[in-house]
Amino acid sequence: NAGVMQNPRHLVRRRGQEARLRCSPMKGHSHVYWYRQLPEEGLKFMVYLQKENIIDESGMPKERFSAEFPKEGPSILRIQQVVRGDSAAYFCASSPQGNRPGDEQFFGPGTRLTVL
Amino acid sequence: DAKTTQPPSMDCAEGRAANLPCNHSTISGNEYVYWYRQIHSQGPQYIIHGLKNNETNEMASLIITEDRKSSTLILPHATLRDTAVYYCIVRVGSGNTGKLIFGQGTTLQVKP
Repeated sequence: NAGVMQNPRHLVRRRGQEARLRCSPMKGHSHVYWYRQLPEEGLKFMVYLQKENIIDESGMPKERFSAEFPKEGPSILRIQQVVRGDSAAYFCASSPQGNRPGDEQFFGPGTRLTVL
Repeated sequence: DAKTTQPPSMDCAEGRAANLPCNHSTISGNEYVYWYRQIHSQGPQYIIHGLKNNETNEMASLIITEDRKSSTLILPHATLRDTAVYYCIVRVGSGNTGKLIFGQGTTLQVKP
């Protein structure tokens, strides 16, 4: 029973390039959350998606960041024109129902993005 | 979601119980207390959650005060592998998006 999978685990980009981070939720989970952890800081919520829908993007930066969770395939977090301040660990979590009591979120191992 | 307050760090001797406190004095009646931990920059790991009754599972026990303004996570026999940052989070049970608001957490150092 595979857990949440994220790839790549490490990603290096130069300033101005695009970064694509992938998240495959646990089997049977249709809710995906993305969090970002800047160096030496706590995790910050970015966006919450269900299949084909963005439910809450209140934590997403207004520009350059986008997320999707298509009907088929993994959830994608896309960062355009990366800057050094985007260097961070990006974690994806999935849950079966999203917001019900006891509906804990299962986290993936994260993608470490380094912007040169 | 209500705010939580945790001590920044704690030490515990291996084999002893680790008691991690959390204050959530502004918690609402429909908010649950969740505990997660993050071991050495890995993805956070769910530990336990509760509403008002004490809870126990294979990992830990959660003691919630009667007024629900504070709680304690208990790791009954701490091991070196329990060294991690522990996060106490309060979250509305339903009716919102379920996002987790992480604070700074408590860094627990288990020592041999």
